[in-house]
Amino acid sequence: NAGVTQTPKFQVLKTGQSMTLQCAQDMNHEYMSWYRQDPGMGLRLIHYSVGAGITDQGEVPNGYNVSRSTTEDFPLRLLSAAPSQTSVYFCASSGRTGGGYEQYFGPGTRLTVT
Amino acid sequence: RKEVEQDPGPFNVPEGATVAFNCTYSNSASQSFFWYRQDCRKEPKLLMSVYSSGNEDGRFTAQLNRASQYISLLIRDSKLSDSATYLCVAGGNYGQNFVFGPGTRLSVLP
Repeated sequence: NAGVTQTPKFQVLKTGQSMTLQCAQDMNHEYMSWYRQDPGMGLRLIHYSVGAGITDQGEVPNGYNVSRSTTEDFPLRLLSAAPSQTSVYFCASSGRTGGGYEQYFGPGTRLTVT
Repeated sequence: RKEVEQDPGPFNVPEGATVAFNCTYSNSASQSFFWYRQDCRKEPKLLMSVYSSGNEDGRFTAQLNRASQYISLLIRDSKLSDSATYLCVAGGNYGQNFVFGPGTRLSVLP
């Protein structure tokens, strides 16, 4: 059981480039989310999905797209990278454990936009 | 006002000390609550879920007060390995809309 996996671990982009951050989970979780974490800001929700084919915006969705064609995969696409998108990106999935839902995180992607 | 607020920290405590973390949340519709720990440059890891009746896991005790919209975490007999940032989380009932607090950093000193 790999849990939540993310690729790449590190990425450097130039302003205006696009790229896709990959996220996959093998726990058959319904819910998946993308967060970004900046110093002093804590984790902020970008987009989330409550199941295949269903996505919704979080707190900071601008500049990002997501899709959820399968239960396992939830890629995050940066449309036109900007220096303000330099951050650490975490993907997470949520599944029912005992009486409630618990969220598990991938190892993160450290993105720098120059 | 942030939706989830925590003590700003950092907390620097000697080994063996008891340390308490406090957290408040503003969304009264929140249904699930958690404490996560995050080591430097790593992903957050679930420490414990928080239930209305309170729960304990070894040296860790979590409490929830729904009326005051307050969550706490107590660490007893702190170890060097407890040094990390502790994140308070409030969320919906089905794993959606998890809102994280900014975290409180703990350093346990020898």
